[in-house]
Amino acid sequence: GENVEQHPSTLSVQEGDSAVIKCTYSDSASNYFPWYKQELGKRPQLIIDIRSNVGEKKDQRIAVTLNKTAKHFSLHITETQPEDSAVYFCAALSPGGYNKLIFGAGTRLAVHP
Amino acid sequence: DGGITQSPKYLFRKEGQNVTLSCEQNLNHDAMYWYRQDPGQGLRLIYYSQIVNDFQKGDIAEGYSVSREKKESFPLTVTSAQKNPTAFYLCASSISTSGMETQYFGPGTRLLVL
Repeated sequence: GENVEQHPSTLSVQEGDSAVIKCTYSDSASNYFPWYKQELGKRPQLIIDIRSNVGEKKDQRIAVTLNKTAKHFSLHITETQPEDSAVYFCAALSPGGYNKLIFGAGTRLAVHP
Repeated sequence: DGGITQSPKYLFRKEGQNVTLSCEQNLNHDAMYWYRQDPGQGLRLIYYSQIVNDFQKGDIAEGYSVSREKKESFPLTVTSAQKNPTAFYLCASSISTSGMETQYFGPGTRLLVL
């Protein structure tokens, strides 16, 4: 089955710097890769996603890149702000008769003013 | 966010007791999911359902049971067979069963063992 590894587990940056979180997946048939953000004490929310027919997708300060050959995808946050502080989860869709998302272990991002 | 609710917010379980966590959605979503969240382990899938009266085991189904008698409801029972139930439980739903739609999460239930 699909396995998703996420790095780093914690990331600390200064406000205004960029942050990059990387994930690798094992199933070459996976075709959908969302990123969720979970602020402290709140529920996870989708922030961006990418499908396997696209190499990069941007939404304002966040972007996701996908390398299907290497089976890895990354989240890029530019001009970080304190409100970006949260836990970020990547996921990969394990296709088949019953489609399900497999989540990475999460990255705790701290943005310091 | 208000479209999917969970109750209670906190739940205490005694040794050998079964407890049921509620999950309700008014989004008319076909698919519903239960995840367990432990520190440093991300979200692990317990059970999921793509249609009424049908559900599938996820990666950590042992010690848990579910039902899907109504489209809007997907309760999770933590049985006495689950030896380490202390965790944060999240319910989610998505509009269809393709897996490529946004999953909307509930606010979660924190289960503690007395």
